Amino acid sequence: KQEVTQIPAALSVPEGENLVLNCSFTDSAIYNLQWFRQDPGKGLTSLLLIQSSQREQTSGRLNASLDKSSGRSTLYIAASQPGDSATYLCAVSGAGNMLTFGGGTRLMVKP
Amino acid sequence: EAQVTQNPRYLITVTGKKLTVTCSQNMNHEYMSWYRQDPGLGLRQIYYSMNVEVTDKGDVPEGYKVSRKEKRNFPLILESPSPNQTSLYFCASSPDRAYEQYFGPGTRLTVT
Repeated sequence: KQEVTQIPAALSVPEGENLVLNCSFTDSAIYNLQWFRQDPGKGLTSLLLIQSSQREQTSGRLNASLDKSSGRSTLYIAASQPGDSATYLCAVSGAGNMLTFGGGTRLMVKP
Repeated sequence: EAQVTQNPRYLITVTGKKLTVTCSQNMNHEYMSWYRQDPGLGLRQIYYSMNVEVTDKGDVPEGYKVSRKEKRNFPLILESPSPNQTSLYFCASSPDRAYEQYFGPGTRLTVT
């Protein structure tokens, strides 16, 4: 059974710092990996999707990488801003459209 | 506007009273699924559907039913809700398993 782990569980940084969020998964037989953002009490917003054949995806200040063989992905946020404060979730898509989520990293960016 | 809608957004009910949470998408997506989110347990898949009349169990299907009679709708049915089904529920859709999933705004359910 696929298991997804995110480290750290919580992170507090000053504004302007570059930061890295980590995601690991146990079964490398995935179709893709997706990073989401969730604000308190809100739904999920898709940030980046990396197909299993890809190594990375970029969107603005966000860059996500995927190393399928080692079961790892990282989300790099450049020049963090207070508006980036949220919980970041990674999820892997496997057989039958099963999407398995990690526990999330709660990020706080202080002004 | 392309979106996934859920109704109701908030619901407080009593044990044993049947309820349905509706989910609808206007993107002609084939894949739809339901998740529940609980503190400390994260998001877990309840059921998913790969097309009309095709549904399958996710990680936590006990106590739930679904149906997919039309492509755009995927209702979640709780025949006899219990307090342990108090949770935040999300519906999602995608064109195919290889594409990103779009999530609805969530339904916060409380069963007393």
